[in-house]
Amino acid sequence: DIVLTQTPLSSPVTLGQPASISCRSSESLLHDNGNTYLSWLQQRPGQPPRLLIYKISNRFSGVPDRFSGSGAGTDFTLKISRVEAEDVGVYFCMQLTHFPRTFGQGTKVEIK
Amino acid sequence: QVQLVQSGAEWRNPGASVKVSCKASGYTFSDHYMHWVRQAPGQGPEWLGIINPTGDNINYTQTVQGRVTMTRDTSTSTVYMDLSSLTSEDTAVYYCVRSSDQEFDNWGQGTLVTVSS
Repeated sequence: DIVLTQTPLSSPVTLGQPASISCRSSESLLHDNGNTYLSWLQQRPGQPPRLLIYKISNRFSGVPDRFSGSGAGTDFTLKISRVEAEDVGVYFCMQLTHFPRTFGQGTKVEIK
Repeated sequence: QVQLVQSGAEWRNPGASVKVSCKASGYTFSDHYMHWVRQAPGQGPEWLGIINPTGDNINYTQTVQGRVTMTRDTSTSTVYMDLSSLTSEDTAVYYCVRSSDQEFDNWGQGTLVTVSS
């Protein structure tokens, strides 16, 4: 199974400051069709996860442009340019290139 | 808009089975694959399996293979996940998830399954 390792596991951030989360895969996530299926999910307290970013860098419908994704191959990053109070929660990377689909262990973003 | 509405919380004794349903609306049900994902308390999500639009191609993760059955009913736009021989390690919130071009674009609200004597 593909192992996704996120760092840091916890990220205390001041409102209005940036935040960055790294996700490293144990194998390349480049699919035979040329796409790289690495997504980022946000889970607010008490809610189901929701899709933020797909195929490394594409924002899902309704996602604010302060969220951005980058990377290739085995190394990926989610950035929040200016953290807002509503961004508090746990962020997961997940890969959809290989079966079984797997998730990172999560990074908790909280306000200092 | 897309909605995935799941059945309510369940409590089971160890060794029992549970069946969770997920009713879809707001889109063409037969156009999309569906997945099941679970999340144990305080843990990250765990993918359980995928069922194709016609229900005849299903892929389960090894950790629940042999205990899980996923089905879908196109007449009611509902997918089901049946998990048997439950243990305390199956205690989790179970989510159905719609996929579009492989992306997990819509999640159900979750169903808490508690396994305890």
